[in-house]
Amino acid sequence: QQQVKQSPQSLIVQKGGIPIINCAYENTAFDYFPWYQQFPGKGPALLIAIRPDVSEKKEGRFTISFNKSAKQFSLHIMDSQPGDSATYFCAASKLNTGNQFYFGTGTSLTVIP
Amino acid sequence: GAVVSQHPSWVICKSGTSVKIECRSLDFQATTMFWYRQFPKQSLMLMATSNEGSKATYEQGVEKDKFLINHASLTLSTLTVTSAHPEDSSFYICSAWGVTLHFGNGTRLTVT
Repeated sequence: QQQVKQSPQSLIVQKGGIPIINCAYENTAFDYFPWYQQFPGKGPALLIAIRPDVSEKKEGRFTISFNKSAKQFSLHIMDSQPGDSATYFCAASKLNTGNQFYFGTGTSLTVIP
Repeated sequence: GAVVSQHPSWVICKSGTSVKIECRSLDFQATTMFWYRQFPKQSLMLMATSNEGSKATYEQGVEKDKFLINHASLTLSTLTVTSAHPEDSSFYICSAWGVTLHFGNGTRLTVT
């Protein structure tokens, strides 16, 4: 069973656009929701993360919106740049219980100059 | 920031040989490390959880005798692919828990 569902599978936007990637989870015990960015041939790198006690978190051009009642969270990339072209993974975890992370299926983002 | 070093970044080996991949946490101690396998354009598939000083916990369907994991210290976990075959060719990534989950840069294994 897929613990975290991610959409869309791929996304193409123009430079300056605001791509939005969505994730939904099932387990209400999850309390940590990170987003990872992965470039080809590299390991994922932590981009931004949120805990369920807040509805939004911003770090630079990256924003997470979190809807606890709907069990959904999304990543928004403001003023997207060609260098943001990468694969993005959302994840969910219940911290302090083995710290196992459940990953979404990934979104391939292409930002056209 | 916390860094996880994975080595080698790529390796080519002949069918039937064994390959060892190292994962080190450079500036923090990691009691738990994770090993993933990633196929092209797909998500990370958790293979096993490596706990310092104890046996690894393998996910369903992962052969523990083929993918040997050793976590002998708080900063080092190793994955050995034994008697590798072409179907084992993949991108293997380790991660370590230290405040949050940090990933290594992965190892591209090609078995000929």
